[in-house]
Amino acid sequence: NAGVTQTPKFQVLKTGQSMTLQCAQDMNHEYMSWYRQDPGMGLRLIHYSVGAGITDQGEVPNGYNVSRSTTEDFPLRLLSAAPSQTSVYFCASSYSQGDGYTFGSGTRLTVV
Amino acid sequence: GEDVEQSLFLSVREGDSSVINCTYTDSSSTYLYWYKQEPGAGLQLLTYIFSNMDMKQDQRLTVLLNKKDKHLSLRIADTQTGDSAIYFCALRGNQAGTALIFGKGTTLSVSS
Repeated sequence: NAGVTQTPKFQVLKTGQSMTLQCAQDMNHEYMSWYRQDPGMGLRLIHYSVGAGITDQGEVPNGYNVSRSTTEDFPLRLLSAAPSQTSVYFCASSYSQGDGYTFGSGTRLTVV
Repeated sequence: GEDVEQSLFLSVREGDSSVINCTYTDSSSTYLYWYKQEPGAGLQLLTYIFSNMDMKQDQRLTVLLNKKDKHLSLRIADTQTGDSAIYFCALRGNQAGTALIFGKGTTLSVSS
């Protein structure tokens, strides 16, 4: 098993550009989430999904879109990048409600 | 909304015990977790406890849960320099469905 795979690992965007952060898991996990990590802020939930076709907003969803067409993939789309979206983004997945989440290695995004 | 609080820093000497504390507001949280993040890395699940438990021990790690005071702690026995990292308390908050809500993290510094 590869676990949770995030691509790219690093990305620099210009303000106003759009892009998609990829997240894939091969563990047949139903639950997937996206977090952003900023210094002194911990991890904040952006969007999450409880299965294919089902997504919901977390604490900081503005400026981001998600979709879940398959169990394996949960991409995060930045619609029009802003400097405030400079952050490290983590994708995570979980098999069941009682299991802990497995995290990917993160995508470090800089918006200039 | 759900609030998870942690002290930001803890400094200990190698061989001492470390105790990292966490308080939370949602008394209905069922699953509580401790994650470790080393510099530049993703999050690693260390241990977890269910709300119907008071204590869980796993080798050098001891988790204590005081549901009345909504207080969770992680004790690391015989702390080593390799334990230096950021430790996050996380729980399943009702308002986020099955996704995790994180504290801001406690940076543990271990000196030799």
